[in-house]
Amino acid sequence: SQQGEEDPQALSIQEGENATMNCSYKTSINNLQWYRQNSGRGLVHLILIRSNEREKHSGRLRVTLDTSKKSSSLLITASRAADTASYFCATDAQNNDMRFGAGTRLTVKP
Amino acid sequence: GAVVSQHPSWVICKSGTSVKIECRSLDFQATTMFWYRQFPKQSLMLMATSNEGSKATYEQGVEKDKFLINHASLTLSTLTVTSAHPEDSSFYICSAPSGQGQETQYFGPGTRLLVL
Repeated sequence: SQQGEEDPQALSIQEGENATMNCSYKTSINNLQWYRQNSGRGLVHLILIRSNEREKHSGRLRVTLDTSKKSSSLLITASRAADTASYFCATDAQNNDMRFGAGTRLTVKP
Repeated sequence: GAVVSQHPSWVICKSGTSVKIECRSLDFQATTMFWYRQFPKQSLMLMATSNEGSKATYEQGVEKDKFLINHASLTLSTLTVTSAHPEDSSFYICSAPSGQGQETQYFGPGTRLLVL
């Protein structure tokens, strides 16, 4: 069964704009991870945030985690056309069992 | 970083045949691997957890006799789709945890299966 739910389901922005995607989950987690998937390709791990962390940065990516609301957000700043992909959040509850949300399809127009 | 490979990358088969998909961790050992299935425009769905030296753990609704998993070694897990039908056509992805605390999942490139 799925754990995370991303919103929006689809997001279209212009190059240079910021993109924000949200993820909500239902049960307690050890950590939450964001992945990117280009069309027809495998998943690429972007960033991991632990349950005791509130914010994490990696290059143009910023992830926040609010365990009280069971939600996380992924912000991509100064987006590029190459950022066009589907973005998934995944929660690690126990035994490294990953649960994925449905993903947000991001389109960055040049 | 850690690398996971899958073979084949795509396969077309006739209905009723069996298809084996391999998942290998190339530069690390994985006592656990995960198999996912992704239908077009849908999210990844965890099918089963492959455990080296013991039986796989299947998610609810996944037929264990239909999707045979064998974790033959610390670097290889195989998923066999038995008596494949067109509805089994999907994108199958495996992953293996590695890194500090085994927290990061490394995904294979996926195998696209088309059953005619």
